[in-house]
Amino acid sequence: GAGVSQTPSNKVTEKGKYVELRCDPISGHTALYWYRQSLGQGPEFLIYFQGTGAADDSGLPNDRFFAVRPEGSVSTLKIQRTERGDSAVYLCASSLWDAGGPDTGELFFGEGSRLTVL
Amino acid sequence: AQKVTQAQTEISVVEKEDVTLDCVYETRDTTYYLFWYKQPPSGELVFLIRRNSFDEQNEISGRYSWNFQKSTSSFNFTITASQVVDSAVYFCALSGDTGANSKLTFGKGITLSVRP
Repeated sequence: GAGVSQTPSNKVTEKGKYVELRCDPISGHTALYWYRQSLGQGPEFLIYFQGTGAADDSGLPNDRFFAVRPEGSVSTLKIQRTERGDSAVYLCASSLWDAGGPDTGELFFGEGSRLTVL
Repeated sequence: AQKVTQAQTEISVVEKEDVTLDCVYETRDTTYYLFWYKQPPSGELVFLIRRNSFDEQNEISGRYSWNFQKSTSSFNFTITASQVVDSAVYFCALSGDTGANSKLTFGKGITLSVRP
C-alpha cells in the first residue's frame, strides 16, 4: 500500500505476556518513529530510527520495551512482561529524510495498533 | 524540557463559523519547529503545517491559517468557515534544535466538533 501499515490493528493480551507490534513504513522512507498514545492524550515519543540504527531511544519507558529495524525498512516494537499500564495505541510514522534534499518535516503516520492488557 | 499546552480541550461550533485553536509552547532551544496535526476518527495523524522558529510569517492555506508569535510563545490555528469534515482532534507539536526530524512533543489535543 501507499501509506504506513501497522499490524495488528488490535491486540488483546494478558498481563505478563510478550507482544510484538509491526510497522511497515512508506517505501524509501529512511526515518521511522514509534509513539504511544493513551486515551485523551497526545502521542508520546518512544524511539526514532534513521536507517537501521536507533538515533534516539530516550522515550522508551523501561527495559521491557525494545524496537528493531534490522534491514532499515520494517520495524518491530517488542514489549516484554506486559502490564496494564502498557494499554494504549502505538503509532508508527515514517518520513523521507535526506540531508541533501528538501525537508518538509512531514511525518506520515499509520492508523496505530491498539494494545489492551487485561 | 519542552512543553506544549493546548488549554482548550473541546470546542463545538456550527458549520460556517470561524474557530481558533490555541497552542502555547515552552522550550529553551533557540532553533525549534512547530507543527499542527489533525487526527480524524480513523486514528492516523495527518500533517497540516510546520514552521521553524526563525520564520514568524503567518501562513494561509485555503480555509486554514496560522499565527506564530514568538513574543507570546504561541502558534494558533484558525479554521475559517468551518465544515463538518473539519471535526477531528487537533494536535500542536514541537521539536527541538536537533532538527525537524527529531522527536516531537505533542500537546493533549483539542477535540473540534462542527455541527451542521
